[in-house]
Amino acid sequence: QSVLTQPPSASGTPGQRVTISCSGSSSNIGINTVNWYQQLPGTAPKLLFYTNNQRPSGVPDRFSGSKSGTSASLAISGLQSEDEGDYYCAAWDESLNGLVFGGGTKLTVL
Amino acid sequence: EVQLVQSGAEVKKPGESLRISCKGSGYRFTNYWISWVRQMPGKGLEWMGRIDPSDSSINYNPSFQGHVTISTDKSISTAYLQWGSLKASDTAIYYCARHNVDIAMPGWGQGTLVTVSS
Repeated sequence: QSVLTQPPSASGTPGQRVTISCSGSSSNIGINTVNWYQQLPGTAPKLLFYTNNQRPSGVPDRFSGSKSGTSASLAISGLQSEDEGDYYCAAWDESLNGLVFGGGTKLTVL
Repeated sequence: EVQLVQSGAEVKKPGESLRISCKGSGYRFTNYWISWVRQMPGKGLEWMGRIDPSDSSINYNPSFQGHVTISTDKSISTAYLQWGSLKASDTAIYYCARHNVDIAMPGWGQGTLVTVSS
């Protein structure tokens, strides 16, 4: 059971917009920033967003991140087949004094 | 270019000890935390703990504390993850990752596959 809750799966057709939610609590997302990671099949995770909605260079602007209260979300517009993979949210948890990940969402492009 | 290069795949028997490594380059090693992250076969990411190479202070995930040891040798810009007695359930890919000041991890190693089997 992960501290941050994500839907296990999401899907869409090419060109569609999909969103992935991440629900936490007052000890993590409620008071700290959220980061998102993309893990494509057979590869190491890659930072997709830091500080809730900041894209590292090289991340397409089709991807967007947001945070409100104790939840965050990742949106992907103009879905492409190469977006297929696993997406994880993460935040520092003050109660655990450690980093917590969501359980991950497997994105399928139909 | 910032790089984290991990040691190669390992095959061990239950009860054996192991140390895997993660060498940083392209940045000042002591300026940024290093975390270790476990990914069991077909499963998600689990944070194991982090170390501050400047003073060797460590936070462990309680789920891993006592079973693994995180350390660094800043003279060679290398972080380590060590087991004293491996279990079959330690079979996983282990990633090291470098933090930015805001906790985000923009740099990841390529992963080390550890297989524990009798």
